[in-house]
Amino acid sequence: QSALTQPASVSGSPGQSITISCIGTSSDVAIYDLVSWYQHHPGMAPKLLIFQVSKRPSGVSNRFSGSKSGNTASLTISGLQAEDEAEYYCCSYAGSDMFYVFGTGTKVTVL
Amino acid sequence: QVQLQESGPGLVKPSQTLSLICSVSGDSISSGDYYWSWIRQIPGKGLEWIGYSYFSGGSLFNPSLRSRVTTSVDTSKNQFSLRLTSVTAADTAVYYCVRGTPIVATIAYFDSWGQGTQVTVSS
Repeated sequence: QSALTQPASVSGSPGQSITISCIGTSSDVAIYDLVSWYQHHPGMAPKLLIFQVSKRPSGVSNRFSGSKSGNTASLTISGLQAEDEAEYYCCSYAGSDMFYVFGTGTKVTVL
Repeated sequence: QVQLQESGPGLVKPSQTLSLICSVSGDSISSGDYYWSWIRQIPGKGLEWIGYSYFSGGSLFNPSLRSRVTTSVDTSKNQFSLRLTSVTAADTAVYYCVRGTPIVATIAYFDSWGQGTQVTVSS
């Protein structure tokens, strides 16, 4: 099962915007609008940030936004805050052969 | 607000069976509105979807684990469970129970997660 490819780390200063990429294939991200993003602080339950590419659950800050182009999905965090320092994972439906694949994870550091 | 809590042994011997239970509060598994999943994170690696159960007993598993995985649902206790047989050190991971929101008979996203439980496979 091939994981989606994310950068290992991304950093930014408070107030800046950062973008995390999630590179898939023609079997997952490219053909299904079922991409979701999760924030994970160590020792806590992962939290859903974005679903179906660009939708935000109620209660999630509008500083988080998602998009997709071809086989690459992206998560943008605007107005970076110290509390955004965490690990971020993307996920995509991959059809009835592989079902759900996750990204390799990106550590976000707020400088 | 739904809450999920994993429980089970933190240490399992190689070749034995890993068994975990997820207790759900704030939602009823028997509502049929969600798919109840297991996801794990192997040290140094990303997340891996293991499989899910539906309240009626239906289930679906990751092809790479299908031969070793079973899941079940106990609606009377509002719990669901995972069994992974013939474990090896490669199954050492943090295991999460997760609620999945469906769309057209598949999971669109995983909206609520437990905090996870560490399971180590070692003799």
